[in-house]
Amino acid sequence: RKEVEQDPGPFNVPEGATVAFNCTYSNSASQSFFWYRQDCRKEPKLLMSVYSSGNEDGRFTAQLNRASQYISLLIRDSKLSDSATYLCVVGRGGKLIFGQGTELSVKP
Amino acid sequence: EAGVVQSPRYKIIEKKQPVAFWCNPISGHNTLYWYRQNLGQGPELLIRYENEEAVDDSQLPKDRFSAERLKGVDSTLKIQPAELGDSAVYLCASSFLGPTRTQYFGPGTRLLVL
Repeated sequence: RKEVEQDPGPFNVPEGATVAFNCTYSNSASQSFFWYRQDCRKEPKLLMSVYSSGNEDGRFTAQLNRASQYISLLIRDSKLSDSATYLCVVGRGGKLIFGQGTELSVKP
Repeated sequence: EAGVVQSPRYKIIEKKQPVAFWCNPISGHNTLYWYRQNLGQGPELLIRYENEEAVDDSQLPKDRFSAERLKGVDSTLKIQPAELGDSAVYLCASSFLGPTRTQYFGPGTRLLVL
């Protein structure tokens, strides 16, 4: 079992839809949490950090539940430009551990 | 500001041949990482440098992989000899003041071993 697991994709949604990604991590010593975005054949880029209190950045909302070892990302009012792979990432022991990613395709 | 620079962008080699990848991090970033990303997977850390020192190389297959970061700036990752299973994207990333800071990735080197 991988240390960081994400919903298997792909997610195919129409423009304007709300989509939620789920992620679980197995090591309770994990200290920091992030969502990265990776466009096709491009490098990963930080989308947002995730805090226990939950945080929002425009149409994006991230949640963390340490007790359940669960992280989520909600995208509201999806745009065509949101099409990408979303990587759930946890930080532990001085390193980042990436999930396998969930692909999102937003259609007109 | 220039981002992380990697070269080459693409490399095709035959198995058992050597290959090397080069990375120049963002200016002032003292932490440098090499990752490998297989198709359909997230990046996996191979080695992390703090300045010139390799502080985490536990995931580096040391029988065939080597890395160096002379002078604490740019870095080279080498594979010798390459195997079919080494086909992947090799990503370099850098950050300022350690792994808890935002990591900025380079465009990667796409390696195909035939």
